[in-house]
Amino acid sequence: DAGVIQSPRHEVTEMGQEVTLRCKPISGHDYLFWYRQTMMRGLELLIYFNNNVPIDDSGMPEDRFSAKMPNASFSTLKIQPSEPRDSAVYFCASRRDSLYGYTFGSGTRLTVV
Amino acid sequence: AQKVTQAQTEISVVEKEDVTLDCVYETRDTTYYLFWYKQPPSGELVFLIRRNFFDEQNEISGRYSWNFQKSTSSFNFTITASQVVDSAVYFCALGSNTGKLIFGQGTTLQVKP
Repeated sequence: DAGVIQSPRHEVTEMGQEVTLRCKPISGHDYLFWYRQTMMRGLELLIYFNNNVPIDDSGMPEDRFSAKMPNASFSTLKIQPSEPRDSAVYFCASRRDSLYGYTFGSGTRLTVV
Repeated sequence: AQKVTQAQTEISVVEKEDVTLDCVYETRDTTYYLFWYKQPPSGELVFLIRRNFFDEQNEISGRYSWNFQKSTSSFNFTITASQVVDSAVYFCALGSNTGKLIFGQGTTLQVKP
């Protein structure tokens, strides 16, 4: 099992540019989560999906952020336009069901300059 | 509303000392799960333990032990005979039956040689 795979590992972009973060969950896991980690706010849940359907997006900071899960093996988190305050580590996680734990990817470190 | 509080922001101990990391949770859910994760300096989130809401039996795994008390809504984590490799940020997290997982702010543990 390759685990949760995120790409890219690092992203540096200029303010105003569009950024797309990608996540491949573990096969068979029916929940997928996007988190953002910053020093000031810690680990924040942005959005999560169950069976590819968004369940709770109340953590998405603003309309510049959007997330999709077109199929069970792929999800994207898009920021458009990006701003310096979006700089953070973005984690993706997946889970099979309530009997199991949550597995996290290695994260994407985003820097907006 | 769900909330996880880790009141200790930073803890510093000398190697071989025992250390306890505190976690207090709030939830209205009748079914929930508690977790501890470790984030070493390399940045990944490493799963340590998961506890079901109904299972108050304490657990020990090597030098790690966990004390879950529903009466005080606490799920504390003790490291016995700490080692330098234990230096990391430790997160307590609360999972609901809907799948949502929220984290505390984390406790940074520094173990000095």
